[in-house]
Amino acid sequence: RKEVEQDPGPFNVPEGATVAFNCTYSNSASQSFFWYRQDCRKEPKLLMSVYSSGNEDGRFTAQLNRASQYISLLIRDSKLSDSATYLCVVTPSGGYNKLIFGAGTRLAVHP
Amino acid sequence: ETGVTQTPRHLVMGMTNKKSLKCEQHLGHNAMYWYKQSAKKPLELMFVYNFKEQTENNSVPSRFSPECPNSSHLFLHLHTLQPEDSALYLCASSQDWTGDQPQHFGDGTRLSIL
Repeated sequence: RKEVEQDPGPFNVPEGATVAFNCTYSNSASQSFFWYRQDCRKEPKLLMSVYSSGNEDGRFTAQLNRASQYISLLIRDSKLSDSATYLCVVTPSGGYNKLIFGAGTRLAVHP
Repeated sequence: ETGVTQTPRHLVMGMTNKKSLKCEQHLGHNAMYWYKQSAKKPLELMFVYNFKEQTENNSVPSRFSPECPNSSHLFLHLHTLQPEDSALYLCASSQDWTGDQPQHFGDGTRLSIL
């Protein structure tokens, strides 16, 4: 089983749509959780951290369900500029900054 | 401008060549990382350096040899590579190796092995 699993997509949505991605992780002791964004042929960039209580940053909402070992990302009012690959990332327990990446979910927002 | 600069951006080399990838960070960070990203596969951590000391080697073949002369510079020396080593090699840095500070990535070096 992969350590971090994501639906590869692509998710093709019109502008203004709401889209949600899920991600599951296999290590129940995982400590920290993130969503990164990677544009085509560019480097990954941190989009947001994911906290147990859930957190929101503008149109983006991230949630963590430790019991079920999944993380979600909700994007409201999609923009063309949201088109990218969204990477689910976890760090194992132990306090070290060792990122374990999912393969990513590709989002394509069209006019 | 990401604060992490990688050179070259593209590299094509034969299996018998020796080349080096360079990474420089201008963020005052103490931890630096090498990742490999192959097509349709997740980023894979290769090496971690914290305060110039290697703290992680993720079972990487010896044909990849990292070097960290100081906290701002990281090299990846390549020799006798195989076609399956063709990938995007990404460097990243963070404040240090502990905790969950965000990692900042460079643009990567796209490596093709002939």
